[in-house]
Amino acid sequence: QLVESGGGLAQPGGSLRLSCAASGFTFSSYAMGWVRQAPGKGLEWVAATSGSADDTYYADSVKGRFTMSRDSPKSTLFLEMNSLRAEDTAVYYCAKFTTYDILTEVDQWGQGTLVTVSS
Amino acid sequence: EVVLTQSPGTLSLSPGERATLSCRASQYVSSNYLAWYQQKPGQTPRLLIYGASSRATGIPDRFRGSGSETDFTLTISRLEPEDFAVYYCHQYGTFGPGTKVDIK
Repeated sequence: QLVESGGGLAQPGGSLRLSCAASGFTFSSYAMGWVRQAPGKGLEWVAATSGSADDTYYADSVKGRFTMSRDSPKSTLFLEMNSLRAEDTAVYYCAKFTTYDILTEVDQWGQGTLVTVSS
Repeated sequence: EVVLTQSPGTLSLSPGERATLSCRASQYVSSNYLAWYQQKPGQTPRLLIYGASSRATGIPDRFRGSGSETDFTLTISRLEPEDFAVYYCHQYGTFGPGTKVDIK
């Protein structure tokens, strides 16, 4: 099970920190990531990290502004979002890959947390 | 970075008909890492196909994935009412824009 938290309303230029609490599997054995979906739009990868956290991907649109981290003992994934823009408004899904490798596919999704960036 | 293009954007069909969805990559994609997802309104995506042609757990055999290199296809042999949804192809770091399959 993946449970996100931390979404809400932020001002342009502001910050938010998303959390994803994982349970039911060995967290450190699987790649994890964040996918977002703007209202009425398609899916967009935000960031992903391998099981060992030695391989990481960030979308160009968030590089330098967002930082993903994982706390394996607490089975929790984080997404620190800074310098937020209106175009970051979306539902953010926590995603679990089928293996430790971020090249593979996602087999489990959280229910999502809504981030709204507006003044 | 690979760009995935899906066609058509919308496919209007009747239950019982065959649906053929295309996903084209801007450069070579390993078949090992091409996946398809289904998303219904208000729901999270569901993994249908991985490795271009392997069905995920619990996916009925009317869903078939095929293709290689830059051209991949998802075929739904006979549409059931629950199959009307948006379908996305996916490869490392990118999703296609999606194909909406709606009821004619």
